[in-house]
Amino acid sequence: GQQLNQSPQSMFIQEGEDVSMNCTSSSIFNTWLWYKQDPGEGPVLLIALYKAGELTSNGRLTAQFGITRKDSFLNISASIPSDVGIYFCAGLTNNLFFGTGTRLTVIP
Amino acid sequence: DAMVIQNPRYQVTQFGKPVTLSCSQTLNHNVMYWYQQKSSQAPKLLFHYYDKDFNNEADTPDNFQSRRPNTSFCFLDIRSPGLGDAAMYLCATSRTTGRGQFFGPGTRLTVL
Repeated sequence: GQQLNQSPQSMFIQEGEDVSMNCTSSSIFNTWLWYKQDPGEGPVLLIALYKAGELTSNGRLTAQFGITRKDSFLNISASIPSDVGIYFCAGLTNNLFFGTGTRLTVIP
Repeated sequence: DAMVIQNPRYQVTQFGKPVTLSCSQTLNHNVMYWYQQKSSQAPKLLFHYYDKDFNNEADTPDNFQSRRPNTSFCFLDIRSPGLGDAAMYLCATSRTTGRGQFFGPGTRLTVL
């Protein structure tokens, strides 16, 4: 199946710092999604990207769909403690293929 | 608010004792999915329904079955749970395949 690699695997940052994480794939996707998962909860859809090159924002979050259609990145600006969680990228064909996840810790 | 609901949030069963997890949605989406997620891993798709059409993933064990009696509800049946089936089970929906999926809060299954 498709392999989606996310980096970094984990991050420890100070509150107020900006965060950047990315996702690369060996396959082309027509849609990229970014999810956040809190402990004991289901993933929550943050941003959906439907077009190569697309740059989309949702509050402090910005995500881009790479031109090659094999990668995407997510930026979080001015991090706050509630940004803590695991962030998953996902490439979508008919099925959803998840990345390996980035665990974010925000230190107040 | 339109949403995906899973009950119960926590389920404890005994080794080999059948268990059913339920999912309902108010989004009126055509597709409903069941995922298994183990600790520190990404969710793994078990199967999905597009309307009444059932689509099983090739590596989903026969121990896992599903029913979708109507648009709103979908059930996951584990016929003989083993210790390795302890996990978070996530239900998701989408308007159609190839569109963003919306997840429920999950049911954490413990097998004793």
